Amino acid sequence: GESVGLHLPTLSVQEGDNSIINCAYSNSASDYFIWYKQESGKGPQFIIDIRSNMDKRQGQRVTVLLNKTVKHLSLQIAATQPGDSAVYFCAERGSNYKLTFGKGTLLTVNP
Amino acid sequence: KAGVTQTPRYLIKTRGQQVTLSCSPISGHRSVSWYQQTPGQGLQFLFEYFSETQRNKGNFPGRFSGRQFSNSRSEMNVSTLELGDSALYLCASSTGSTETQYFGPGTRLLVL
Repeated sequence: GESVGLHLPTLSVQEGDNSIINCAYSNSASDYFIWYKQESGKGPQFIIDIRSNMDKRQGQRVTVLLNKTVKHLSLQIAATQPGDSAVYFCAERGSNYKLTFGKGTLLTVNP
Repeated sequence: KAGVTQTPRYLIKTRGQQVTLSCSPISGHRSVSWYQQTPGQGLQFLFEYFSETQRNKGNFPGRFSGRQFSNSRSEMNVSTLELGDSALYLCASSTGSTETQYFGPGTRLLVL
């Protein structure tokens, strides 16, 4: 069945460093992937997405990389700031528009 | 545009009761999806409604049901509440033709 998992449940970085959050997916038929950020007490917030026909997509301070060969997705955050502290989820879209979410990675940014 | 809104934000119920949660999507969005979020299971898909029809359904018992109105607002109902139903219930809306889902703040349900 479809499943999405994260390699690292927690990640602690220093302010100003770059962060890399990883995600593995199992459904090779998934054609669309999204990264969400969830701060305490709030709903998930869309960060960036990527389609399966792309390998890389950049946003403001964030880059998503997709490696379909090994079914791996990563989110890179440049110059990490305290406001980036949150739980980050990757999600994949399989059939029928259904999104499957990973368990999440807690990112802590130390000042 | 206003974001996705959910009411109520917090709710306390006792076992055996039923509850109805409401979600108002972003204006123009026709798809509403519901998720249950718990520390142990993460984000789990409940169901999706598009143009008043249930388009997708997750693996939850029949106690969980929903509906969507002509203005795209959606309600979710849980009957015969169990302790394990305590969770954050999130709804997300999208235009229906794109994949990006935008989430509301959630309704935190506590079942005693």
